Amino acid sequence: AQSVTQLDSHVSVSEGTPVLLRCNYSSSYSPSLFWYVQHPNKGLQLLLKYTSAATLVKGINGFEAEFKKSETSFHLTKPSAHMSDAAEYFCVVSDHGSSNTGKLIFGQGTTLQVKP
Amino acid sequence: NAGVTQTPKFRILKIGQSMTLQCAQDMNHNYMYWYRQDPGMGLKLIYYSVGAGITDKGEVPNGYNVSRSTTEYFPLRLELAAPSQTSVYFCASSPDTYTEAFFGQGTRLTVV
Repeated sequence: AQSVTQLDSHVSVSEGTPVLLRCNYSSSYSPSLFWYVQHPNKGLQLLLKYTSAATLVKGINGFEAEFKKSETSFHLTKPSAHMSDAAEYFCVVSDHGSSNTGKLIFGQGTTLQVKP
Repeated sequence: NAGVTQTPKFRILKIGQSMTLQCAQDMNHNYMYWYRQDPGMGLKLIYYSVGAGITDKGEVPNGYNVSRSTTEYFPLRLELAAPSQTSVYFCASSPDTYTEAFFGQGTRLTVV
């Protein structure tokens, strides 16, 4: 069965400094991977997705992530944090071609705090 | 474009009561999901469906039931509400496993 581990429950950065949110996944088959963002009391918004094309994926608002199969990782980065980036971030995995096809599993989330 | 619509937005239930959370999508998506979100716990998959007439358990199915008689609707049933079911519930849909899921705005349920 697939699973996702977000290695940090809370990350704090200063405005203008780089952001790194770490995600490791477990999947028996070729996965699709997603990052979602949730602002306080809001719904979920897709940041970016990996679906077996380019391993470096660019998303909205300057975020990007790199799929590394050898490390089973899909870390999210941004060169320069903005105050509006403060939110909860979720790494999500979806399996293909297994008995679990169709399951969309979320990590536990990382809270990003951006200090002025 | 309505997307994924959840009703109600808020509900307070008494212990032992039953209710159905409604979810409808107008995008003709095959895959539909129900999640619950507890503070600091991320989203946990309750049930999912890969098409009309096909449902399967997720990570936390106990205390819930679902049905999927049509492509559009995927209601979630709570039979005997318990305080542990106090949570925010999200419904989502997706055309396939390669495409991102589209989420409803959530239902905030409190069981007292």
